Amino acid sequence: ETGVTQSPTHLIKTRGQQVTLRCSSQSGHNTVSWYQQALGQGPQFIFQYYREEENGRGNFPPRFSGLQFPNYSSELNVNALELDDSALYLCASSRGNILAGGPGELFFGEGSRLTVL
Amino acid sequence: GNSVTQMEGPVTLSEEAFLTINCTYTATGYPSLFWYVQYPGEGLQLLLKATKADDKGSNKGFEATYRKETTSFHLEKGSVQVSDSAVYFCALSDGGGGFKTIFGAGTRLFVKA
Repeated sequence: ETGVTQSPTHLIKTRGQQVTLRCSSQSGHNTVSWYQQALGQGPQFIFQYYREEENGRGNFPPRFSGLQFPNYSSELNVNALELDDSALYLCASSRGNILAGGPGELFFGEGSRLTVL
Repeated sequence: GNSVTQMEGPVTLSEEAFLTINCTYTATGYPSLFWYVQYPGEGLQLLLKATKADDKGSNKGFEATYRKETTSFHLEKGSVQVSDSAVYFCALSDGGGGFKTIFGAGTRLFVKA
């Protein structure tokens, strides 16, 4: 069973630039969630995708956007990068959706570390 | 809105000591509760979970009981090992598929030999 994979693992951007992060979900999982983890903090929920549609969103501005593809892989796009966007971006996959019930444990990738200069 | 509060770290213990990491939550309805662990250089992984009041989750010698009356989900282990050194996150989800899982700030545990 292939786990959650993310790319790239590290990247450096400058303020104002745009970035795309990619995630392949675990085999059999149809839901992908994205999290931002600042240094020394817990992961903050950005949004979740189920069957290619946004299924819920945290307190992040519209310049954070995403996509989910028919194979359930996903992208996170961040426009107009700011210094505070520097963080570890985590992708997590799971089975089902909000209506399906169940405990809903998340399976995480190792993350993409973004540095904005 | 939903929130999770866990004790600040770091927590430093000697091997074989008893561990408690406190976690309390605020939520509407009946959330599922989780403990995730992040070992050095690795991704977050589920340690244990509980889906309803009075459930006890357990794994690798760790336990936590879902206490609705005190809105708590404290993590315990009777005898810690050096290999338990990691960051521990308490979390809750109030929907299926891990919908909008909310995490605490994390508690770093150091275990000395």
